[in-house]
Amino acid sequence: DIVMTQSPDSLAVSLGERATINCKSSQSVLYSSNNKNYLAWYQQKPGQPPKVLIYWASDRESGVPDRFSGSGSGTDFTLTIGSLQAEDVAAYYCQQYYTMPFTFGQGTNLEIK
Amino acid sequence: QVQLQESGPRLVKPSETLSLTCTVSGGSISNYYWSWIRQPPGKGLEWIGYIYYSGSTNYSPSLKSRVTISVDTSNNQFSLKLTSVTAADTAVYYCARHPNTYSSRSWFDPWGQGTLVTVSS
Repeated sequence: DIVMTQSPDSLAVSLGERATINCKSSQSVLYSSNNKNYLAWYQQKPGQPPKVLIYWASDRESGVPDRFSGSGSGTDFTLTIGSLQAEDVAAYYCQQYYTMPFTFGQGTNLEIK
Repeated sequence: QVQLQESGPRLVKPSETLSLTCTVSGGSISNYYWSWIRQPPGKGLEWIGYIYYSGSTNYSPSLKSRVTISVDTSNNQFSLKLTSVTAADTAVYYCARHPNTYSSRSWFDPWGQGTLVTVSS
């Protein structure tokens, strides 16, 4: 199985400041035949299902604010929230879909400082 | 837009079988892959397995011996059965769609609201 490791486990950021969450995979999720990274990011608020923010490591889902961005390739990825808003308080998960079983990171809890 | 809704018993006794159904509305179950994912209270997400509308399946190796996923295209539903449950199977169970029609290797979107299933005597 590909192990996804996120850092940090929790993060407190002031409103308007940048938040950065990292995700590392135990093996590359870059598929050489199409040069795509099989990596997604989700946001989960309490009592709600996860909502996809980013797929293919850097493509933003329709309707997701542009303060959310994804970057990275191979085994190291980053989710950046450019200017933290109060509604961004949530847990964030990365997920690889390069190979089965599909696996998720352990999650990062983001709160307001 | 497509919506998913999980249904089934919320309380299951140890050693018995957990059974859930996901009803798809606002779109057809055809031509897509559909997954079950679970989340123990306060913990992270675990993929259980998927089914294609044609009936082909793939399960997580950690659960494969106890899991069966089936599809009912006439009712736009797919189902999960998990046998010999223990307290460790207590979780919120989600159903979700793979948005790409051409591959199972995909993120999940949309998700159902989830249903908490508790394993207890």
